[in-house]
Order: sequence, then C-alpha cells, then structure tokens
Amino acid sequence: GAVVSQHPSWVICKSGTSVKIECRSLDFQATTMFWYRQFPKQSLMLMATSNEGSKATYEQGVEKDKFLINHASLTLSTLTVTSAHPEDSSFYICSATTGTATQPQHFGDGTRLSIL
Amino acid sequence: KQEVTQIPAALSVPEGENLVLNCSFTDSAIYNLQWFRQDPGKGLTSLLLIQSSQREQTSGRLNASLDKSSGRSTLYIAASQPGDSATYLCAVPSQSGNQFYFGTGTSLTVIP
Repeated sequence: GAVVSQHPSWVICKSGTSVKIECRSLDFQATTMFWYRQFPKQSLMLMATSNEGSKATYEQGVEKDKFLINHASLTLSTLTVTSAHPEDSSFYICSATTGTATQPQHFGDGTRLSIL
Repeated sequence: KQEVTQIPAALSVPEGENLVLNCSFTDSAIYNLQWFRQDPGKGLTSLLLIQSSQREQTSGRLNASLDKSSGRSTLYIAASQPGDSATYLCAVPSQSGNQFYFGTGTSLTVIP
C-alpha cells in the first residue's frame, strides 16, 4: 500500500518551455504533499509544501512564480516549472502523507528534468 | 533549525559483512525518525520508521535504533548483499509537521 506515482519520469525540453510534473497518491488520500529538488550527490531540498485546497507554502529562496504548485484534490498535486531554463535542470521528487510531516512519508520515483 | 548529519558519507564493504550507518540530529524533540533508501536516479523507498517512544524497529535484515536523548539513530544491516548498494537517508519531521529534514546521506557499496 501507500503508493505514490510521479509522472513523467524524465523530461527533456528546450529553454523557455513550461513543464508540468504530476504527483498522485494511488491508494490513499494525501492531505499534504511535499516537493523536493535534488542535485547530484546531494540530499533533498524542500521546495514547497502543499495542502489540498490551499495555497502552497514555499521555502525561502524558491520562486513561487517560477514553480507553480497546485493541489486540487486529495490524490493529485502538480508542479509546473514555468519558462524553464538550463539552471532548472534537476531531479524533482514529491512525497505524500495523510497528515503532516509527522506521518510516514511516501515518495514518488522522481522526475529528471533536463533543459537544453 | 534541525540539522541532520549522517556518518560516514560513503562506505564500501565486502558482501556478507554486517554494517552500521549513523544518523545524528541536533533537536531531540522529534516525533519520529524515518530511514530511506535511494537508488541512483530513483525516488526514496521507506525502510523503517521509529516513533519517538520506540527504541528500535526491525524489518528483515534491517534494524534501526533510536536514542532521542543523545540525538542519534543507527541503521544496522546484517549480512550485506550487493543489492543493498544504494544511498541511505535518515529524516525527521519538524515539530510543526510542515517540514521534513533529511540527513546528508550515506552511499553504500557492497562488493560481491
């Protein structure tokens, strides 16, 4: 149980393109979803926290107009990287939980984004 | 702010050895601690979750212990196998529950 599906797993696109990444909880209702960014050989960096039906809370230094997060239902959150540039290339991972971060975290398989 | 550190950063052992991965955290007021495994280019797989009231959790060849007062957790892997090669991460939630602090990770290589 507790499966989180993240799609797509790999995206390559041109600079200036907007890219949408989906994070779905398949067998549970995710009250809260977290979006992370991971650089090579580094740990995960929290970008934002999204609660169903509310605006996302962004971490300091993360541009909310650049990284649009929508959590319209209890099973789906999306991260849209708007007007992506090469410096946005990274590995993006979502996690979902039934409550707050004190509950077990369930992670997607990640999305590798490459901007040419 | 909670800081989570893992030692060693990298570890290479021959197959069959027992090994210990270490995780330390600066704020001992935690709800729980979770250990994850990450394979290259993949997401995280949850291995074990220890509640603050527990001392240890076991799953197969894995045993995780928690000492809140000293701010430490260990992940013990018995009879290591090449398939155990991965990066292991520990993480703790913030007191408010809106943040999840990850350790720096230990990259494990088990040599056949």
